[in-house]
Amino acid sequence: DGGITQSPKYLFRKEGQNVTLSCEQNLNHDAMYWYRQDPGQGLRLIYYSQIVNDFQKGDIAEGYSVSREKKESFPLTVTSAQKNPTAFYLCASSTQGTETQYFGPGTRLLVL
Amino acid sequence: GENVEQHPSTLSVQEGDSAVIKCTYSDSASNYFPWYKQELGKRPQLIIDIRSNVGEKKDQRIAVTLNKTAKHFSLHITETQPEDSAVYFCAASNAPSEFYFGTGTSLTVIP
Repeated sequence: DGGITQSPKYLFRKEGQNVTLSCEQNLNHDAMYWYRQDPGQGLRLIYYSQIVNDFQKGDIAEGYSVSREKKESFPLTVTSAQKNPTAFYLCASSTQGTETQYFGPGTRLLVL
Repeated sequence: GENVEQHPSTLSVQEGDSAVIKCTYSDSASNYFPWYKQELGKRPQLIIDIRSNVGEKKDQRIAVTLNKTAKHFSLHITETQPEDSAVYFCAASNAPSEFYFGTGTSLTVIP
C-alpha cells in the first residue's frame, strides 16, 4: 500500500468553494476507489473506477465528482453542493479481478 | 444491498489476553471478508482475509473464522500486545467494487 499517495494531508474549505483531493498510485492497479470516513462509522463508498475514462457512483456520491484520465490518478472534487464535507477521505486501489484493496494515507478535510 | 454489523464498538483487554471481534452480514452472495487495522490518523491496513470456501484462516497471533450458514465471521487476536491497540474494521464483498464495511471496533490493550 506504500504505492498509493494522497495529498494534501489536511485541506481547508471555505463555504461555497470546490476543492480537489489528489490520489496517485504506482502499483499498476486498474481499479481505484474513494471512501469517506466519519467518526463512529465505517467507510462509505463515494465513487469507484475500474478502468480509465470510466467511473461509477457509490453510496454517497452526491456533492462529489471524479475523473479518471490516467490509470495512475483518480482525483476527487468536493463541490459546494456537499453541505457536510468535514471527514477523513481515503483513496484505495486494487488489481482487476481481485477484491483486496490497498489504502492511501488519507486527507482530512475541514470546513472554515 | 449488503449490511454489515460489527460488535463490540469498543473493547479493552489486558496485555496477553485474547480479543474477539464479531461481524454479521446479510447478503449470502458475499464471498470475501477482509479485516483492516487502522491506527489513529493513518490508513487502514489489511491484516487478514478469508474467502467463502474456507472456514478458518490463521496468521501467527491473528485468526479469522467464517460461518456461512449463520452469516457471521470473527477476528481473533491471541496474546495481545499494546501495539495491537487500534480500530479494526471488517468488510464483506461479493464483487471488487462492492465493499461494505462494519462500523469499527476500537481495541485497547492495557499493559
